[in-house]
This record gives sequence, C-alpha cells and structure tokens, in this order.
Amino acid sequence: NAGVMQNPRHLVRRRGQEARLRCSPVKGHSHVYWYRQLPEEGLKFMVYLQKENIIDESGMPKERFSAEFPKEGPSILRIQQVVRGDSAAYFCASSLDRGGGNQPQHFGDGTRLSIL
Amino acid sequence: LAKTTQPISMDSYEGQEVNITCSHNNIATNDYITWYQQFPSQGPRFIIQGYKTKVTNEVASLFIPADRKSSTLSLPRVSLSDTAVYYCLVGPFSGGYNKLIFGAGTRLAVHP
Repeated sequence: NAGVMQNPRHLVRRRGQEARLRCSPVKGHSHVYWYRQLPEEGLKFMVYLQKENIIDESGMPKERFSAEFPKEGPSILRIQQVVRGDSAAYFCASSLDRGGGNQPQHFGDGTRLSIL
Repeated sequence: LAKTTQPISMDSYEGQEVNITCSHNNIATNDYITWYQQFPSQGPRFIIQGYKTKVTNEVASLFIPADRKSSTLSLPRVSLSDTAVYYCLVGPFSGGYNKLIFGAGTRLAVHP
C-alpha cells in the first residue's frame, strides 16, 4: 500500500469527542475516496472527493460526518460527537483519474477508530 | 452495480493452485471485473482486472467465460503469505468514477 498515507493508524476517543482522520493520496492523484469497514465485513463507500470538491457523499451519514480535500494538504474525514457505533476501520483510497478501466484505487492502511 | 457472490471461505495448502469463483449474473455490458486482496490490518490491494477471456499478471490469472456471468481468480502455488480476504468487484469503470462496492469477500487460509 505504498503511496497513500493515513494517520493516525489508531485513534481512541471518548463518546462526544471529535475524531479527525487524515489521508495523503499518492503523489499526483487528485481523486480521493473514503470507506468504512466493520469487523468481518467488506468496505462500505462513504464519500468521493476531488480537489476542493465533494463529488458524491451518498455513503456518508448526514449528521456528524464531514469530509474535505483542500487545494493544499491532506484529505480530512471529520466525525463530530462520536458514538460507540463509529468504532471501525476507516480507509482512504486515491486514483489518478475518475475511474477508467485501467485506474484501480490505491488504498492506505487505514485508521482504526475506537470509541470508549 | 452488479451484485457478486463468492464463497465465504476456502482452505488450501502451500504449493497448491487456488481458484476462487465469483458469480455476477447481472453484469452489464460496460462492467469490468476487479479483484482486490486484503491482509489483516491493511487496506485492500489491487490484484487484477479484466473484461473478458483471460488476463494474467505476475500475481494471478483471471478467467472470464464468454457470458461473463462469473469469473475465476487463480492463484498459482500459494504460500502462507497468500492468506487473506479476496474481494470480487464488478462495476462500470469506464466513464464513471470508481465507487467500489465490496461484498464480504472470500477468506482464504493457506496451511503448511
């Protein structure tokens, strides 16, 4: 998974706190995707962003969750007022283009969020 | 996006060939078939992608019959390090963006 960097790798928060997850895509990639994975399940799409724009946030809860991908700096997934159900692994992926047949996504190693 | 069905788990031994079959009866004309591999505590890693017939790379082969309603990922001579979850995905990767839909995958366990 070289290239996509996520930090922190592990994040512990108490209920009601805020969680900020960061993702630096592969150099030169301008398309970023966030996924959530619960134990023993596949990844679930949350949001797709291009530089400074949210393209599709259909998989992201309307409340408490937000994402951004600024012109400079990493993409941020922000979860406000966290609850126990937010505990999961959050993966970021990037691609060079919006998704042609030869443009697979490159994934980071995820941030494991634990809510106490 | 086309729904996929694959075995929940498989067991194999070192040195054997492993074939994981995925069913995608409702695959559309412009859908590609892609396989990802995921190790514990890591993100998925792209293995192989194809549209029809056979695709081979340094890691695996992908066999797709003429009707494209299924596909088979073939891993030659597996080793212990191939123990992972393998996901089959089908989607319109041409013209649209990569909104990947993951199922539960196939958990492959390779034994000594």
